[in-house]
Amino acid sequence: DAEITQSPRHKITETGRQVTLACHQTWNHNNMFWYRQDLGHGLRLIHYSYGVHDTNKGEVSDGYSVSRSNTEDLPLTLESAASSQTSVYFCASSRTGERRYTFGSGTRLTVV
Amino acid sequence: GESVGLHLPTLSVQEGDNSIINCAYSNSASDYFIWYKQESGKGPQFIIDIRSNMDKRQGQRVTVLLNKTVKHLSLQIAATQPGDSAVYFCAETSISSGSARQLTFGSGTQLTVLP
Repeated sequence: DAEITQSPRHKITETGRQVTLACHQTWNHNNMFWYRQDLGHGLRLIHYSYGVHDTNKGEVSDGYSVSRSNTEDLPLTLESAASSQTSVYFCASSRTGERRYTFGSGTRLTVV
Repeated sequence: GESVGLHLPTLSVQEGDNSIINCAYSNSASDYFIWYKQESGKGPQFIIDIRSNMDKRQGQRVTVLLNKTVKHLSLQIAATQPGDSAVYFCAETSISSGSARQLTFGSGTQLTVLP
């Protein structure tokens, strides 16, 4: 069965370290998204991609970067982790033109 | 600015009763709306969607109502079950404007089903 997988499920890192969160989908979806979820803010868009080598900034992109070298993967990198980036991160994907996203199970990141 | 919000952050209902979760939106250009359910420790799961050319859409035990006049969306769950306990999010976007605008999510409503 097709799926979207995030790893790791939990991560603790120190302030200033570079961290990469993985997202892998086997739906063959062109669109992929990264959201962060914080209490009182719902889901906020960090970055998104419409296909290989395409990346775009979302609402809260400062301090984050993504790259899309193939259809299946959209890793999210925190260049220098900050405590304000402690959050739950969700990856999602969808077919071209479709707004119904399929979400992964999330990565809980704690920056200490 | 544009926003999607929920009237109540928490909702408790008795098992077997009907649940109604409300959502307000402010962007008059929004023409596509979607409800997600998020159980503890899991990612959001699609429940039902509706386009602005409809006022009502029904699924299995769920109904979404759209009132474009007052920019209001609601999710009705019939005969609420313990497995319905979760956080429910509404989201909106425009699919006809030609823009690349992504889904904008509300902050969520926690539904608790009481035995």
